[in-house]
Amino acid sequence: EADIYQTPRYLVIGTGKKITLECSQTMGHDKMYWYQQDPGMELHLIHYSYGVNSTEKGDLSSESTVSRIRTEHFPLTLESARPSHTSQYLCASSEGSNQPQHFGDGTRLSIL
Amino acid sequence: GEDVEQSLFLSVREGDSSVINCTYTDSSSTYLYWYKQEPGAGLQLLTYIFSNMDMKQDQRLTVLLNKKDKHLSLRIADTQTGDSAIYFCAERMGSNYQLIWGAGTKLIIKP
Repeated sequence: EADIYQTPRYLVIGTGKKITLECSQTMGHDKMYWYQQDPGMELHLIHYSYGVNSTEKGDLSSESTVSRIRTEHFPLTLESARPSHTSQYLCASSEGSNQPQHFGDGTRLSIL
Repeated sequence: GEDVEQSLFLSVREGDSSVINCTYTDSSSTYLYWYKQEPGAGLQLLTYIFSNMDMKQDQRLTVLLNKKDKHLSLRIADTQTGDSAIYFCAERMGSNYQLIWGAGTKLIIKP
């Protein structure tokens, strides 16, 4: 079973606040991903990383930023939250080219 | 561009078999995946199949791949209430680590 953890699980916060969503994995996977998903809808890739100090933007434009200073940690930051950022954010990781992505439980974010 | 399509809903009776279908457009797909998402949770990997395989079976789950028609299906035998979830199909092309996702099929179980 995959060991990938996201915190917080739920966050309700006011407009204009700075937010950091945490994602950690203990499997030593090089590849990590952030997806944005509205409830019951398809996944949209917003950021990915192929290793330490490597970050790329995904298919869906996002005002968030990410960093990858350590292999196990891939935090996502919103400098100034807005109601349009309300969504579920899913983090995933994968090992090599033949391995599937494993997901955390997600952070459900609500911006008031 | 690349596309993965799924029906949005499937309704089956408890105890029957469920068959969830997925079509994709890119013939260079290497791996195809099925994930399950329960309400408010992340995605759980159910099974995956390499593109040179036609079928894979794992307990109640059977995956069938028709490469000619670019069609993938997931059969769940003896469907239970615990199978109620959204099922996502995804494909990976070549050595690209990113996945192309379907919109998900919501499986509804009738008593």
